Amino acid sequence: NAGVMQNPRHLVRRRGQEARLRCSPMKGHSHVYWYRQLPEEGLKFMVYLQKENIIDESGMPKERFSAEFPKEGPSILRIQQVVRGDSAAYFCASSLASGETQYFGPGTRLLVL
Amino acid sequence: AQTVTQSQPEMSVQEAETVTLSCTYDTSENNYYLFWYKQPPSRQMILVIRQEAYKQQNATENRFSVNFQKAAKSFSLKISDSQLGDTAMYFCAFLGTQGGSEKLVFGKGTKLTVNP
Repeated sequence: NAGVMQNPRHLVRRRGQEARLRCSPMKGHSHVYWYRQLPEEGLKFMVYLQKENIIDESGMPKERFSAEFPKEGPSILRIQQVVRGDSAAYFCASSLASGETQYFGPGTRLLVL
Repeated sequence: AQTVTQSQPEMSVQEAETVTLSCTYDTSENNYYLFWYKQPPSRQMILVIRQEAYKQQNATENRFSVNFQKAAKSFSLKISDSQLGDTAMYFCAFLGTQGGSEKLVFGKGTKLTVNP
């Protein structure tokens, strides 16, 4: 049973470009979460999605950031017009249902030059 | 809002010895879940152990066990017979059950080094 998959593992963008991060949940999991980890910090919640629905986006910056989890295909975290402060590790997690353990992917390290 | 505090930024232990990592949290909820995750140098987040607040029995997972003190809002992790592979950042995390919230709230982490 494959774990949570994320790609790319490393992404380099110049300021002003778009970053697109992908996450495929564990088989059978319909709940997806995105977290951001700044250097030397713990993870901070960004958004919680179920298939075709955003359930909680209270941790998402109001501008430039968006997330989706379509009926078919991976969940996407999209950052438009990236700035240096967006440089971080972005982790995706998935769970089977509410209150169940969240299992994490390997993360995408975004570097904005 | 819930908060999670890990008061030990760094710790070290000799191989084969026992070490305890501290975690306290603040919440007004009565039913919730607590977790310890490990982040080795590879940066992968790996689940170590999970505790349901309604269970009085402390969770154990091989060499890992917790001391869950609900009244004190304390959730420490004990690692027995430490191994070199235990070297990692350890994060304590809280998951509430009210209001449909599914967000994990993490502490800032404790960097554990196991010395040979």
